Amino acid sequence: KNEVEQSPQNLTAQEGEFITINCSYSVGISALHWLQQHPGGGIVSLFMLSSGKKKHGRLIATINIQEKHSSLHITASHPRDSAVYICAVPYNTDKLIFGTGTRLQVFP
Amino acid sequence: ETGVTQTPRHLVMGMTNKKSLKCEQHLGHNAMYWYKQSAKKPLELMFVYSLEERVENNSVPSRFSPECPNSSHLFLHLHTLQPEDSALYLCASSQDRGRTIYFGEGSWLTVV
Repeated sequence: KNEVEQSPQNLTAQEGEFITINCSYSVGISALHWLQQHPGGGIVSLFMLSSGKKKHGRLIATINIQEKHSSLHITASHPRDSAVYICAVPYNTDKLIFGTGTRLQVFP
Repeated sequence: ETGVTQTPRHLVMGMTNKKSLKCEQHLGHNAMYWYKQSAKKPLELMFVYSLEERVENNSVPSRFSPECPNSSHLFLHLHTLQPEDSALYLCASSQDRGRTIYFGEGSWLTVV
């Protein structure tokens, strides 16, 4: 069993739909990262959060430390949101444990 | 544009070749990282440099040799690689270890 599990692995949506991607982890953490990886390979850091909720544009990330669970929501999804979304938790100062990612495709 | 630039973006090399991947960050960060992403596997940390000193070598084979000549540049020297080393190699940087990391676009490596 991976220490960081994401669901679903693959997700397709129509433009405009509300998207939820889930991340569960089994290690104790100080913060959790959400990353976005586009088909070309580059990765962008979306959020780093340790409690509650953060919002950036149409993206919202929430975390429940007690339940060891985080969600990434995308409101009014758009084809340009198509990417792989990865959650990661710190193992120590330097090492992040990554989930295997959720591949999202948004169709017009 | 994340401020972390990797070259080359694509590299094909034979098993007897010697090549290098280059990473440059323009963010003034003091920590730099090499990650490997193989097909259908999570990202794996390979090396960490903090203030130009290697602080982590995550059990990486010696055919991968990192070099950090200054806080802005990081290299990954490759020699006698195996086909299973084919992967996406991502460089990243952060201001201090454990803070938000910024990734480059990655270098797609194919070993033939």
